[in-house]
Amino acid sequence: GAGVSQSPSNKVTEKGKDVELRCDPISGHTALYWYRQSLGQGLEFLIYFQGNSAPDKSGLPSDRFSAERTGGSVSTLTIQRTQQEDSAVYLCASSPWTSKPAHEQYFGPGTRLTVT
Amino acid sequence: KNQVEQSPQSLIILEGKNCTLQCNYTVSPFSNLRWYKQDTGRGPVSLTIMTFSENTKSNGRYTATLDADTKQSSLHITASQLSDSASYICVVSPTVGDNYGQNFVFGPGTRLSVLP
Repeated sequence: GAGVSQSPSNKVTEKGKDVELRCDPISGHTALYWYRQSLGQGLEFLIYFQGNSAPDKSGLPSDRFSAERTGGSVSTLTIQRTQQEDSAVYLCASSPWTSKPAHEQYFGPGTRLTVT
Repeated sequence: KNQVEQSPQSLIILEGKNCTLQCNYTVSPFSNLRWYKQDTGRGPVSLTIMTFSENTKSNGRYTATLDADTKQSSLHITASQLSDSASYICVVSPTVGDNYGQNFVFGPGTRLSVLP
């Protein structure tokens, strides 16, 4: 079946512009995560959606970052007034809700954002 | 502070050889440990997931071990292939039965290069 997809795959933007990154999770997955991966660094948690619950936004680095998930499916991560330090690969992952203690995460290919 | 460290940072081996990657963590309480493979330009893909009660798990030529007492894990790759060239990421979850993204602590990864 189809995996997690993200668009665009690459985005180059000028400092100060707004960008929107899209994530299409695997159908039926109730959990959706956004991460940021800077060069040579581990993944940094940004935000987490689970079903109809309020999202966990504790990882968002500043109020320039926001995300929404419409209809419990597609999610959009928005970065306003981009800065050069926002340059990174933004990864989305989805996960089914199960009774198992360890839930599998399925990652998309990522969006490489470059702020010039 | 919950941290995951991996060694070596990078590794070069010849095709057909075996190798072992290390992961040390200071995450507590411990729920599960995952190893992911991340090809260049792709999202991470799960190799193994081990809960605290498991001390070894295999997935083809990949074998992960876990020592919850010493808080160490290793990933052993047997008879390496060119396609094994990738980053290998160790991820530890400190919360039992929880799917929350912020509770996944990612290591920086080990970059493996397999040469012909």
